[in-house]
Amino acid sequence: GDSVTQMEGPVTLSEEAFLTINCTYTATGYPSLFWYVQYPGEGLQLLLKATKADDKGSNKGFEATYRKETTSFHLEKGSVQVSDSAVYFCALSDEGNYQLIWGAGTKLIIKP
Amino acid sequence: SAVISQKPSRDICQRGTSLTIQCQVDSQVTMMFWYRQQPGQSLTLIATANQGSEATYESGFVIDKFPISRPNLTFSTLTVSNMSPEDSSIYLCSVGLSADYGYTFGSGTRLTVV
Repeated sequence: GDSVTQMEGPVTLSEEAFLTINCTYTATGYPSLFWYVQYPGEGLQLLLKATKADDKGSNKGFEATYRKETTSFHLEKGSVQVSDSAVYFCALSDEGNYQLIWGAGTKLIIKP
Repeated sequence: SAVISQKPSRDICQRGTSLTIQCQVDSQVTMMFWYRQQPGQSLTLIATANQGSEATYESGFVIDKFPISRPNLTFSTLTVSNMSPEDSSIYLCSVGLSADYGYTFGSGTRLTVV
């Protein structure tokens, strides 16, 4: 079945460092891909998405490109801030399916 | 996008008791989803609740343990029944038109069973 694998955390970086959180997937069809973020004590928020191959989702300085050839959707940000500290979840939905398949989440800690 | 009010935000409950979690949405939505997020884990879908029909439960979750009500298009409740410490988790409700549009989540209910 469909699955999402993302890098284990926690990932600890200094402020202004470059961020990459890896996400790879397996799916039978042509899924849509998502990154959700969960700030401490809050619910999840959609950060960005991409619905077809080579699409790039972007929001709040974060980017991720849908790479079908490598079945990946890695999250990147050029310069992280302390306020980016959160748990990041990669997820997919297979075409025609309303359900999301979730990765395990990656905790990001940014130190000043 | 929709705004969800979920309550309680947290509770500490005695084993063997039940807790009902409420989600109120500021607009009418067809589908609502209930998730469990165990400590340090990802989200697991408990059930999908459509107004006017029985909730659809995922494998490993049963109605007797997690009864759900969906009386109208803006409100739903999830009850965690006969609780044990293994039920200690964050419970989240979620709504959305479809996965491609992105789903909105409530802020979660952090449940501790002692």
